[in-house]
Amino acid sequence: ELKVEQNPLFLSMQEGKNYTIYCNYSTTSDRLYWYRQDPGKSLESLFVLLSNGAVKQEGRLMASLDTKARLSTLHITAAVHDLSATYFCAVDGNSGGSNYKLTFGKGTLLTVNP
Amino acid sequence: NAGVMQNPRHLVRRRGQEARLRCSPMKGHSHVYWYRQLPEEGLKFMVYLQKENIIDESGMPKERFSAEFPKEGPSILRIQQVVRGDSAAYFCASFLKGVPQPQHFGDGTRLSIL
Repeated sequence: ELKVEQNPLFLSMQEGKNYTIYCNYSTTSDRLYWYRQDPGKSLESLFVLLSNGAVKQEGRLMASLDTKARLSTLHITAAVHDLSATYFCAVDGNSGGSNYKLTFGKGTLLTVNP
Repeated sequence: NAGVMQNPRHLVRRRGQEARLRCSPMKGHSHVYWYRQLPEEGLKFMVYLQKENIIDESGMPKERFSAEFPKEGPSILRIQQVVRGDSAAYFCASFLKGVPQPQHFGDGTRLSIL
């Protein structure tokens, strides 16, 4: 059974600081996703990481993937209040298969304080 | 709005009643996933459907839950004889198979059982 673990689960940051969220998964996978969820809202896709060494950046967020270590990171640079949300990583556990169902981590609740 | 459409957004049912949740995928998408999100948790896969076919229902409870995606019309997640533990947010996502892209999520249905 594919397992996805995120840490930390809760993160309180000050504006302007940097931090990293970690996502470990238990089996090989072709694709790793990062999503953002605001309270009571849907999931917004942030990044799709498709290969070992992939790095993607959007604004103050940067995501990377190390398939050998089965680890993805989401790095936050110079946090601002608008980044406060819950961040999920998700893995498509059917490497080479056709199912594409996602297994999610429990999420990291990020609070950015002024 | 060409996104994934779910309705209703909020649904209140008494124990023992039936709940029907609807999902229309993005235009051109013929693959639909249902996920359930319990409070303080990530999303859990329930079922994967294509038009007129259930591909993977390994995440569905064996009793009271069913799903369909008819040739015409939205996908339906049906919960019979609801119990308090069914209270959750139910999200639908659609996907264009063969293209490396994230699943696109609807706004969800928040189901509350009295």
